[in-house]
Amino acid sequence: QKEVEQDPGPLSVPEGAIVSLNCTYSNSAFQYFMWYRQYSRKGPELLMYTYSSGNKEDGRFTAQVDKSSKYISLFIRDSQPSDSATYLCAMTNSGNTPLVFGKGTRLSVIA
Amino acid sequence: DTAVSQTPKYLVTQMGNDKSIKCEQNLGHDTMYWYKQDSKKFLKIMFSYNNKELIINETVPNRFSPKSPDKAHLNLHINSLELGDSAVYFCASSQDPGRGETQYFGPGTRLLVL
Repeated sequence: QKEVEQDPGPLSVPEGAIVSLNCTYSNSAFQYFMWYRQYSRKGPELLMYTYSSGNKEDGRFTAQVDKSSKYISLFIRDSQPSDSATYLCAMTNSGNTPLVFGKGTRLSVIA
Repeated sequence: DTAVSQTPKYLVTQMGNDKSIKCEQNLGHDTMYWYKQDSKKFLKIMFSYNNKELIINETVPNRFSPKSPDKAHLNLHINSLELGDSAVYFCASSQDPGRGETQYFGPGTRLLVL
């Protein structure tokens, strides 16, 4: 079993839809959870950062972490064509352990 | 005022050649990284340096040698390039990885080995 599993998609939704992106993981030591957005031919950029369990909201984006189920989610409300990108989940435990990335989900928001 | 920059952006070369990719960050971060992203978009850590010292060295062929002349620079030298080295290489930096601090990524170097 891979450490971090993420459905690669592609996921295609109409403009204005609510998008749900998910990752599952196997390492219960993970404490820091991130979502990165990567546009085509660009480097990943941090979208959301969560420590331990709980929810975090930033504008149209909400990140949820459920450590008991080893499951994290990113919700995008009122999706826009500019949200079309690949979304990568990433996580790590403390210390100098590297980030472990999911494979990324490619999202297309159709106008 | 680019935070993390890489040169070159594109690199096309023949098998067997030696090439270098440079990375610089102006964020004052202590830790820098090299990642490889393959054709399936899977992003995997290769190396991590903290204050010019190697702290992470994942299973990477020893044809790959990172060098950090100072904490703002982390270069990647690749000897005897192989077809399988074709990928996008990303440099990143963070302030305090011990607290899972955010990593900032460069724009990537697209390497194609023919």
